[in-house]
Amino acid sequence: KAGVTQTPRYLIKTRGQQVTLSCSPISGHRSVSWYQQTPGQGLQFLFEYFSETQRNKGNFPGRFSGRQFSNSRSEMNVSTLELGDSALYLCASSSLPGAYEQYFGPGTRLTVT
Amino acid sequence: AQSVTQLGSHVSVSEGALVLLRCNYSSSVPPYLFWYVQYPNQGLQLLLKYTTGATLVKGINGFEAEFKKSETSFHLTKPSAHMSDAAEYFCAVSDPGTGNQFYFGTGTSLTVIP
Repeated sequence: KAGVTQTPRYLIKTRGQQVTLSCSPISGHRSVSWYQQTPGQGLQFLFEYFSETQRNKGNFPGRFSGRQFSNSRSEMNVSTLELGDSALYLCASSSLPGAYEQYFGPGTRLTVT
Repeated sequence: AQSVTQLGSHVSVSEGALVLLRCNYSSSVPPYLFWYVQYPNQGLQLLLKYTTGATLVKGINGFEAEFKKSETSFHLTKPSAHMSDAAEYFCAVSDPGTGNQFYFGTGTSLTVIP
């Protein structure tokens, strides 16, 4: 069974631009969560989607948004990029939301210059 | 809101020595508990989990953890460290009180000295 895939793996953007990151969950998994990982803040929860609906949202500004498609693939978008958005963005999938273990993708390394 | 505390952001052990990584959580309701490992430039890999039942949980790569409700702890141990254990370790809880949202500790970087 293929694991969680994230594209692209690396991305360099300029302040003010926007970016879209993609995540394909493990086949059969319907829940996708997104996390931002930085050296200073650790892993911070962004949002969780289940069956195309946002189920939970972390404490991030409205510049961060996401969506989930009918095939469970998910995208997250960051608009008006700031230097502080530079981070590793991790996607995790699980068969059901919440208490079930999450399987993580390799992440997308975003650098904002 | 739930919080997870990992004591010691950096831990060094000699090869063959005991590994002990500490994790405490705050919750009045026993959460589900997880340990993940992250190798450089990779995502997180599940080591083990506790949901219900036996409080001593065995995971992959020889790791185990014990859920102690009275101490609100879920410490990770391995009897004998290998060089390949060098990585970042994250404790996480899933809180039933907030729709089972995941909360992660800040991580512990494990160095294994030959």
